[in-house]
Amino acid sequence: KQEVTQIPAALSVPEGENLVLNCSFTDSAIYNLQWFRQDPGKGLTSLLLIQSSQREQTSGRLNASLDKSSGRSTLYIAASQPGDSATYLCAVKVGSEKLVFGKGTKLTVNP
Amino acid sequence: DARVTQTPRHKVTEMGQEVTMRCQPILGHNTVFWYRQTMMQGLELLAYFRNRAPLDDSGMPKDRFSAEMPDATLATLKIQPSEPRDSAVYFCASGSYRDRGSLGYTFGSGTRLTVV
Repeated sequence: KQEVTQIPAALSVPEGENLVLNCSFTDSAIYNLQWFRQDPGKGLTSLLLIQSSQREQTSGRLNASLDKSSGRSTLYIAASQPGDSATYLCAVKVGSEKLVFGKGTKLTVNP
Repeated sequence: DARVTQTPRHKVTEMGQEVTMRCQPILGHNTVFWYRQTMMQGLELLAYFRNRAPLDDSGMPKDRFSAEMPDATLATLKIQPSEPRDSAVYFCASGSYRDRGSLGYTFGSGTRLTVV
């Protein structure tokens, strides 16, 4: 059974800092890995999707990497801003269509 | 922007009452998912459909939960009878199976259910 773990559960940083969020999964047989952002009381917004054959994806200040063999992904946020404060969720696609989610990292960026 | 629409946004009901949540997937998407989010368990898959046919509902308590797609523009999740432990945020998501390797899924804003 695939399990996804995100460390740390919560992170507080000063504005401007570069930071890394971690995601690990137990079964390397995945189709892809997706990072989502969730604001309080809101739905999930897709940030980056990495296919199993890819190593990384970039969007603006965000960079996500994938090491399938070791079951790890990282989300790098450059020059963090207070608007980046949210919960970040990692999910892997397994089997036909299922997404298995981690429990998220709650990020607070302090002005 | 195309989006997944869920109604109602919030629902408070008494234990034992029937609850129906609705989802309008993005036009053209042929895969629809229902997820439940709680503080303890995080996001859990309840059921999903492809081309309106249920493919997997193993995550759902069968005795009280049911999920259907009466047509391509509507998915429903029903709880009868509801219990306090069903209190959670229920998310619907849709995607295109043809593009499953490239596009990912779009989530709705969720229905926050409170059963008292």
